[in-house]
Amino acid sequence: NAGVTQTPKFQVLKTGQSMTLQCAQDMNHNSMYWYRQDPGMGLRLIYYSASEGTTDKGEVPNGYNVSRLNKREFSLRLESAAPSQTSVYFCASIMTALNTEAFFGQGTRLTVV
Amino acid sequence: QKEVEQNSGPLSVPEGAIASLNCTYSDRVSQSFFWYRQYSGKSPELIMSIYSNGDKEDGRFTAQLNKASQYVSLLIRDSQPSDSATYLCAVNSPGSARQLTFGSGTQLTVLP
Repeated sequence: NAGVTQTPKFQVLKTGQSMTLQCAQDMNHNSMYWYRQDPGMGLRLIYYSASEGTTDKGEVPNGYNVSRLNKREFSLRLESAAPSQTSVYFCASIMTALNTEAFFGQGTRLTVV
Repeated sequence: QKEVEQNSGPLSVPEGAIASLNCTYSDRVSQSFFWYRQYSGKSPELIMSIYSNGDKEDGRFTAQLNKASQYVSLLIRDSQPSDSATYLCAVNSPGSARQLTFGSGTQLTVLP
C-alpha cells in the first residue's frame, strides 16, 4: 500500500547543478501535482498534470520543468539549481471527477548551496 | 483575489478552548472541500472533508460549509497541544483543469 512515493527524501546541490525529483503513485489517479513549501508558508503550486500526456504551469514554474512519463509517474527537474530553490517539495495525486482527497508523498528537502 | 483564502495567523488558543479556522473560495462551482493538518516537516494529512451545506462532525472536529457565502470553516473543540499545526483548506473544482487548490494555511498553536 505505497500510495505516493517521492525520491529522494533529502538532497544537497551546488548552484548550477541539475537534478530530477521522482514521484510515482499506485492509485490509478489522473491528476498529479508538484508543490514547494518554504518555511512558514503554505503550498505553492509549481506544475500540475491533469492527465497523462498533459502538463500545465502553476503559480511558481520558473526554473522547473516536468514530465508526465505515464499515468503513474510525474517528475520535476531543476536544470540549473539556484539557492532560491531551497525548499521542501511535495508531490500529490488525486482521482479527478470523484471529489476525493489528495494524497501526498513524504516530501523532498532540497538545499542549494 | 486568491482562489482560496485563509487567515494566515498565527492563531493561539488555550488548551481546552475552541479553535476556529476560516476559509473562503472564489469558484462558485466548487464541489468538495477539505481540511488538511500539517505538522512541521511533515506531509499534509486529511482530517475532514465536506461536500454539502451544513455541519459535519468527526470527534472533536466540525467542518461547516456555506456554499452561498463561499465559506468553509473548521472548529476544533477541546483543543490540545497536539493540535498545534498548520491547517490547510483545499477546494476541489471539477470544472477547472487544476482541480484542487490549496489555501496558504493557518498556523495554530494550542497553549498548555
